Order: sequence, then C-alpha cells, then structure tokens
Amino acid sequence: DGGITQSPKYLFRKEGQNVTLSCEQNLNHDAMYWYRQDPGQGLRLIYYSQIVNDFQKGDIAEGYSVSREKKESFPLTVTSAQKNPTAFYLCASRDRGHYGNQPQHFGDGTRLSIL
Amino acid sequence: EDQVTQSPEALRLQEGESSSLNCSYTVSGLRGLFWYRQDPGKGPEFLFTLYSAGEEKEKERLKATLTKKESFLHITAPKPEDSATYLCAVQAKNQAGTALIFGKGTTLSVSS
Repeated sequence: DGGITQSPKYLFRKEGQNVTLSCEQNLNHDAMYWYRQDPGQGLRLIYYSQIVNDFQKGDIAEGYSVSREKKESFPLTVTSAQKNPTAFYLCASRDRGHYGNQPQHFGDGTRLSIL
Repeated sequence: EDQVTQSPEALRLQEGESSSLNCSYTVSGLRGLFWYRQDPGKGPEFLFTLYSAGEEKEKERLKATLTKKESFLHITAPKPEDSATYLCAVQAKNQAGTALIFGKGTTLSVSS
C-alpha cells in the first residue's frame, strides 16, 4: 500500500542532544512538509521541500534542520537549539497536480518528549 | 493576513443528533479548502477538497459546503465512530510552496 511512514512513533531527547525524525513516502510525490502540532494549536509549518535537493523554511524553522537527498525521504533534525521541542510532529506529502491544489497526505506522526 | 478560524472548539452530540461544524477563512485568493479528520495519536486523514463557492462534497454521513467566507461540515445522524477532531485548512493563491494554513480544529464527541 502507498503511504507515508514516520518513525519512531515515540522519541525522547536528552538535554543538549540532536535527534532525527524519519519520514519516508512511496506515493511518488514531489512535495514534502514537516508540521508541528501542540495542544490547542493548529498545525504549524516547520520546513517544506518541493523538489529533491531544495527546501525552504516555514513559519517556525528555528532550531530545526532538514535534508532532501532522495524524493522519497525528508528527515527532520531537532537540534539542541530548539528549547521547547516537546510536541507531535507530522510529515506530509503532496502530488503537485496541474493546478497546484492537490491535498496533502499525512503520516501518523512522531511524539517527541524531553527526558 | 491569511487565517482560518474553526468553531466550536468542542461539540458533544448524542448518536443521531445532526449538527454542523464551521470553518471561517480570510485569504487573498482561495486555491482550495480542505477538511481532515484526526483521531488521537494519529495523523490527519484527508476527507474533502472544495475549490469554489457553491461546491458541495459528500461522504457517508458527512457533507462539506463552501461559500466565499466559510465552509461547513454537516454531520447527519452521527455515530460514536464519528468522534474525532476535524481540521479545516486553506491553500491561498499567494502562499509560497503551496503550504496549508490550518485552523485549530473542532473536537467532536458522539455518545450512544
């Protein structure tokens, strides 16, 4: 089945540690996105990529980094500079489509907590 | 500024009690409005896309409608399995990278 796989499902970070969240898709989508979801807030965009080897900052990119070396993979690193990393992280992908208004499809998320 | 507001924040219904969820939006040119369903601990599941005012989409007990200022998600004779958080998102024509702007969601609880 085609879909988006995020791993791990749960992740714990120690003080001063960088951690990497995995996102893999087999939908052959060009665009991929990372969102952060906090209780009582809407999804907020961290980074997005429309094509391999290219990505742009979203609204809350500080303390995060990404890479897009392959079409199917878009890992997110939460660095030690991110002082409030506890959240639910969601990865999404989208087919570009002719009019650029195709829906985004999401993985099942990674919940990151501080030890 | 482009934004999306959903109401109510929470809604409790009895099984079979129909109701509507509201999504108000302000964008400088709408490219698309999207409804998602999110279960606890899961990612959002795509439900509908609406592109222009007057458009309607249906799926089982759900019906989504769109005007120039807002969208409604009508739930007819809901069942307990319809309990979830429903998210509304818009894509604005001037939004770089075709990113979506999300509302905070409406959490629906349906009791039997």
